Amino acid sequence: AQSVTQLGSHVSVSEGALVLLRCNYSSSVPPYLFWYVQYPNQGLQLLLKYTTGATLVKGINGFEAEFKKSETSFHLTKPSAHMSDAAEYFCAVRETGTASKLTFGTGTRLQVTL
Amino acid sequence: GAGVSQSPSNKVTEKGKDVELRCDPISGHTALYWYRQSLGQGLEFLIYFQGNSAPDKSGLPSDRFSAERTGGSVSTLTIQRTQQEDSAVYLCASSPLRVSSYEQYFGPGTRLTVT
Repeated sequence: AQSVTQLGSHVSVSEGALVLLRCNYSSSVPPYLFWYVQYPNQGLQLLLKYTTGATLVKGINGFEAEFKKSETSFHLTKPSAHMSDAAEYFCAVRETGTASKLTFGTGTRLQVTL
Repeated sequence: GAGVSQSPSNKVTEKGKDVELRCDPISGHTALYWYRQSLGQGLEFLIYFQGNSAPDKSGLPSDRFSAERTGGSVSTLTIQRTQQEDSAVYLCASSPLRVSSYEQYFGPGTRLTVT
């Protein structure tokens, strides 16, 4: 069975500071990994994904994440936070080669302060 | 193009009533998923449809929940005899399932409140 752990249900950073949101997964097979963002009263929007190939993946809005198999991690980063980044972020895992469900972490709410 | 749409956006119902939630996936997407998002449980998978295959119902929490997908497109999630614990946001997602694209595209959700 797959699982996803997101450390820190709430993260607060100052505008312009580094954003680091942590995600660790467990999976019995090589996973596909995703980060989604959810703004208030909206659905989930895909930020970025890792399927195969380059382990450092870039997404929208300046976010990127690195797949580290040895650490079973897929942490999300952004060099400089913007006020508009305030939202809830979800890490998700899916088994490779299947059209199966996503298993989500519990989410991290990012607050950006002046 | 148009994204995943869901209706209604909000639904308030009395305990014990039945409700139907609708999802229109992105045209051409063969896979359709329902998830539930609630404060206590986070994001939970409910059910998954792929083409003409039998749906994966492994996430449905009880037999009061059912879903169908007609003509490989629109899907309806039905909750019978609603309970207060059914209050949540119900999210629908679709996926094209191309080898190069496994991501799921989510709709805005239906917020269900059971009073």
